[in-house]
Amino acid sequence: DTAVSQTPKYLVTQMGNDKSIKCEQNLGHDTMYWYKQDSKKFLKIMFSYNNKELIINETVPNRFSPKSPDKAHLNLHINSLELGDSAVYFCASSQGTPSNQPQHFGDGTRLSIL
Amino acid sequence: GESVGLHLPTLSVQEGDNSIINCAYSNSASDYFIWYKQESGKGPQFIIDIRSNMDKRQGQRVTVLLNKTVKHLSLQIAATQPGDSAVYFCAENAGGTSYGKLTFGQGTILTVHP
Repeated sequence: DTAVSQTPKYLVTQMGNDKSIKCEQNLGHDTMYWYKQDSKKFLKIMFSYNNKELIINETVPNRFSPKSPDKAHLNLHINSLELGDSAVYFCASSQGTPSNQPQHFGDGTRLSIL
Repeated sequence: GESVGLHLPTLSVQEGDNSIINCAYSNSASDYFIWYKQESGKGPQFIIDIRSNMDKRQGQRVTVLLNKTVKHLSLQIAATQPGDSAVYFCAENAGGTSYGKLTFGQGTILTVHP
């Protein structure tokens, strides 16, 4: 009965590789997000999709490409991984585009670049 | 533990004490505020939220206070328990066309001693 689930939980790979992280929510929400949390625990939004449409795109390198096949899924593909991409990536979801709804987070994907 | 090396504000309390965690926000246009709790290896967990037309909101053992004049938010936890030990984040949303874009504070480490 997990609300927001991400796979994989851990991802260890070498610099230059391409990898994907998947996210699914069963809350019936129509807005989904990707956040990056660095080693200092700072959380920053990367992308947001509402009903499969991109609505927030922060200053993120083009190597990061989100894809939303339907409103319950938001995947993140990363090309040419770099050392600085090492972080924990969190998926979240909320209901509707109004700003006054709480976002519910998954448990994160810890990405380590060797 | 995971907090080693982090330079976040810390709060240490005894079990049963009340805890107050403070947060200064930056955007006077923010109209929605949330407190999250993050345990080690987990995603941020929603605790309580408050809209800018309120100055106080209570939940179970938690109270959030909002002072828009000085752009200050606080989270009060009554009868703190060891299970409350975690990193606590405040987050703000600027409303309007921000489409749910949450800006997170730096986090506070709460340690509850039995």
